[in-house]
Amino acid sequence: QSVLTQPPSVSGAPGLRVTLSCTGTRSNIGAGYDVFWYRHLPGTAPTLLTSGDVIRPSGVPDRFSVSTSGTSVSLAITGLQPEDEADYYCQSYDRGLNGPIFGGGTRLTVL
Amino acid sequence: QLQMLESGPSLLKPSETLSLICTVSGGSISDDEFYWAWIRQSPGKGLEWLGNIFHSGTFYSNPSLKSRVTLSVDTSKSQFSLNINSVTAADTAVYFCARWTEDSDNDMTYYFDVWGRGSLVTVSS
Repeated sequence: QSVLTQPPSVSGAPGLRVTLSCTGTRSNIGAGYDVFWYRHLPGTAPTLLTSGDVIRPSGVPDRFSVSTSGTSVSLAITGLQPEDEADYYCQSYDRGLNGPIFGGGTRLTVL
Repeated sequence: QLQMLESGPSLLKPSETLSLICTVSGGSISDDEFYWAWIRQSPGKGLEWLGNIFHSGTFYSNPSLKSRVTLSVDTSKSQFSLNINSVTAADTAVYFCARWTEDSDNDMTYYFDVWGRGSLVTVSS
């Protein structure tokens, strides 16, 4: 069982907006540790996507945005495109574990 | 551009030792700004952090694996390694190596900025 909770799947039609959630506890997200999002296509290397204001690698479009509320963080993707179809993982740091933690991942399907 | 590549046996029997190597190219494994990490993804499950190692050899690992995990580094070969002893079917997973970044200006910012594509290890009798 992953420490961060993500919905197993989300889907949306091209051009629309979807939101992927990531819920933690006071030991990680609630403690103020930054949350990072990764995009993964099976068989390839996961890639760092964004953490909102902290990190946005070059080439990541501003269609991807992050918002935080308490112990939850959401990744919003606007103008959904077929190439957005992938698995998305959130990651933070946990002071109890004294190490990084991940969510179980959300599979995004573009209808 | 930094690249990372995992290598090692793909099939093990229960009780054997899993040994994987990550080769780093396009950057220095001795860079003081980074740690080097191992992460795995079991079938149908999410990602699990296994451990981080610094170029000096200092490492720390996920307590969930107790004393089964050892990390080592060979800076002359630009490689770092993962060993997990006494493997069981539960250790079947895709194993990724990655570069771990800690923001020196912000002690709340920790992330993996470069990953390898992973190496599938299956434990079966």
